[in-house]
Amino acid sequence: AQKITQTQPGMFVQEKEAVTLDCTYDTSDPSYGLFWYKQPSSGEMIFLIYQGSYDQQNATEGRYSLNFQKARKSANLVISASQLGDSAMYFCAMSLTSGTYKYIFGTGTRLKVLA
Amino acid sequence: GAVVSQHPSWVICKSGTSVKIECRSLDFQATTMFWYRQFPKQSLMLMATSNEGSKATYEQGVEKDKFLINHASLTLSTLTVTSAHPEDSSFYICSARESQGIGEQYFGPGTRLTVT
Repeated sequence: AQKITQTQPGMFVQEKEAVTLDCTYDTSDPSYGLFWYKQPSSGEMIFLIYQGSYDQQNATEGRYSLNFQKARKSANLVISASQLGDSAMYFCAMSLTSGTYKYIFGTGTRLKVLA
Repeated sequence: GAVVSQHPSWVICKSGTSVKIECRSLDFQATTMFWYRQFPKQSLMLMATSNEGSKATYEQGVEKDKFLINHASLTLSTLTVTSAHPEDSSFYICSARESQGIGEQYFGPGTRLTVT
């Protein structure tokens, strides 16, 4: 069965420091995609970064990077130079690239950036 | 970029009435749309998947007669909460994906439903 696990319910980070949010996944399908979304208190889901299962390099998008370790089935999100506006809920999701492409979400990590 | 709208953004209704939520893809054709429900401080729970012109596929435990989903066109899907009760109060989010690409879902801004 497919599963996403986020073991950190909450995290604190000092402004301007880097933070890593953990995500592990489980699937026997060789083709999948991994996504990270940010959900601020307004409720909107903001796409941050994507990693495909066949991608050789770790994905990067500005201050966001994804530490993809396929053998360990982990896809941790690294946020560099944290800003106060980064305080939000962060969700890791997996999509199987077959069928309906529906997402399997983790339980989320609430990040609080401290001034 | 791909934009998905949802209407209304919030709604308050009385117990026993029905509420319709619209989800539109504004600048792309959405072959598949998804409906989620989210309780406070919890993750998104997939309710159903709908493909244009087909019946929706509901997740286990979701009442089909309570949550009616219609995907009438490639840009519009609707969720109707029938005979709403206070326990249906929640944040409902839709998403849509194109037929091409990496399978990314584009999310609407959500609808907060309160049933009194």
